Amino acid sequence: DQQVKQNSPSLSVQEGRISILNCDYTNSMFDYFLWYKKYPAEGPTFLISISSIKDKNEDGRFTVFLNKSAKHLSLHIVPSQPGDSAVYFCAAGSGTYKYIFGTGTRLKVLA
Amino acid sequence: NAGVMQNPRHLVRRRGQEARLRCSPMKGHSHVYWYRQLPEEGLKFMVYLQKENIIDESGMPKERFSAEFPKEGPSILRIQQVVRGDSAAYFCASSPPGLGTYEQYFGPGTRLTVT
Repeated sequence: DQQVKQNSPSLSVQEGRISILNCDYTNSMFDYFLWYKKYPAEGPTFLISISSIKDKNEDGRFTVFLNKSAKHLSLHIVPSQPGDSAVYFCAAGSGTYKYIFGTGTRLKVLA
Repeated sequence: NAGVMQNPRHLVRRRGQEARLRCSPMKGHSHVYWYRQLPEEGLKFMVYLQKENIIDESGMPKERFSAEFPKEGPSILRIQQVVRGDSAAYFCASSPPGLGTYEQYFGPGTRLTVT
């Protein structure tokens, strides 16, 4: 039972354009959501998070949007840079530590 | 400020041997979490520990797997009598004490290969 789904295994975007990574979840009890970036042979790096009381959180080039009614969140990266090429995981949880991770989306930013 | 350290980075074991994976949390962090990532899957929560206490081990297989976080030294994830299905990347994460356990900081992982 995959409670957190990232349906696009990969995405290619031109440098300077917007990257939009999507994530769907099924458990309405989830109240905290995070995005992580992962380079090969490294651990996931925390990017940005959002709690269920908000619908948007912004940090520099990264913005996360949460649509609770649709149980959907997205990560926008603007403008995309070649260094953003990595695997992006969304994670969701209720309470404070037990996160369920999606299977990841591999983003490739083309120079 | 060093990040989360894990060693070894790569570990090869034959079926039936024991695997010991070590994790040193970030300085000042007292919460440790272990995750496993099987090929083509997301990270899956295994266990949450604080110093000398297992808080939640609901994600741990019932047999052969154990974890500890002693008062001194790193956290250890121990897998006894490894089988091929244990081959995976094992990640450790840590977070600071107090109410703010939301953001977990991950180590580089240990890639276990069982031959």
